[in-house]
Amino acid sequence: DAKTTQPTSMDCAEGRAANLPCNHSTISGNEYVYWYRQIHSQGPQYIIHGLKNNETNEMASLIITEDRKSSTLILPHATLRDTAVYYCIVRGNFNKFYFGSGTKLNVKP
Amino acid sequence: DTGVSQDPRHKITKRGQNVTFRCDPISEHNRLYWYRQTLGQGPEFLTYFQNEAQLEKSRLLSDRFSAERPKGSFSTLEIQRTEQGDSAMYLCASSLAQAGANYGYTFGSGTRLTVV
Repeated sequence: DAKTTQPTSMDCAEGRAANLPCNHSTISGNEYVYWYRQIHSQGPQYIIHGLKNNETNEMASLIITEDRKSSTLILPHATLRDTAVYYCIVRGNFNKFYFGSGTKLNVKP
Repeated sequence: DTGVSQDPRHKITKRGQNVTFRCDPISEHNRLYWYRQTLGQGPEFLTYFQNEAQLEKSRLLSDRFSAERPKGSFSTLEIQRTEQGDSAMYLCASSLAQAGANYGYTFGSGTRLTVV
């Protein structure tokens, strides 16, 4: 599976949109982009995934560039409860998830 | 609750003792995974099962570690002769693997092991 690169940490003001970038320049055609987050002392929680089209659900939006080499997770109105580590993972069908170190998002009042 | 359950949530043990953790996956999920997570790091893959068959083991899974999923439902992870370096969060996840579909994992809350 392709590797991903994420910033170590980011800050966001409460109520503002949080935009978390991820680079996956070696992604192949059948690999999906997944986002998970992990709040302190809990298991990772699924957020969203996509192949090439932009996706939106009740939690977030996923914007994938046309060349699929990067993506952005958008939390439209960040709250203090969104403070967590966010993992961007590229994964082919039936393959395991390999987690990097993720991005620590700090939502500040 | 139809999520992934792990028991216990916390375990403190003395070095050299054996410990066993249990994971109950989502009932219709045929795949079950074990991960280990140390402080400040992302989860690391240990092993996974498809139904009752253990299909892959990471090099992280030393001879002191053994995992079972005897009836293709719950799974246990045993660590023998624990060492301080085994202190970590042990995470279980389950998923449904079907041809032509791409499903994510559902994780449990983990078992935090402290070896003293």
